[in-house]
Amino acid sequence: EVQAVESGGDLVQPGGSLRLSCEVSRFTFSNNWMHWVRQAPGKGLVWVSRISVEGSTTDYADSVKGRFTISRDNAKSTLYLQMDSLRADDTAVYYCAQGPNYYESGFMDVWGRGTTVIVSS
Amino acid sequence: EIVLTQSPGTLSLSPGERATLSCRASQIVTNRYLAWYQQKPGQAPRLLIYGASNRATGIPDRFSGSGSETDFTLSISTLEPEDFAVYYCQQYATSVLTFGGGTKVDIK
Repeated sequence: EVQAVESGGDLVQPGGSLRLSCEVSRFTFSNNWMHWVRQAPGKGLVWVSRISVEGSTTDYADSVKGRFTISRDNAKSTLYLQMDSLRADDTAVYYCAQGPNYYESGFMDVWGRGTTVIVSS
Repeated sequence: EIVLTQSPGTLSLSPGERATLSCRASQIVTNRYLAWYQQKPGQAPRLLIYGASNRATGIPDRFSGSGSETDFTLSISTLEPEDFAVYYCQQYATSVLTFGGGTKVDIK
């Protein structure tokens, strides 16, 4: 069974930076698209970003474009999200999620349990 | 950006009843690139349906998806106690993916 475990969530001041990581526990990591999805307290799911298998294609939600950077290290089966210029409305649980195969870039069939980011002074 | 509007916001039903959830898109979702997820309190979402009508691995056949273009539906034929949760639709027809606001199915 594939598992994804996020880490790196913390309390950070507005304007600060944070780097999230997601380690995926099976060989499928290097063959699947990866995503970040977030959920503010008591709110719905919001897609944040995705990255292709080789890392050559990345997409972002408008709300984070220019502030967040997604990347991956296939040798370490790890996904990253570098978050800069953080704002209060970035406060959320951040989920790492995996697409089902090399070709499917748009939906996610494996999810981590999430890591919590709180942006507050 | 495609905006997805889910209705109703809350659906109050009893176990054994049928649930019908709607997801309406602000523009055509090409190739029926629409997925449905279930989320229970304190848990990560779970994929139910992709490609508008294909059940994900391990999903019971009481869950079914239908629709095309701008109107999509998730149906649960006979609600089981474990089906009471929040359901989200998500489109992946564009490079910016979007989720709907969710429908909560709670016990009447």
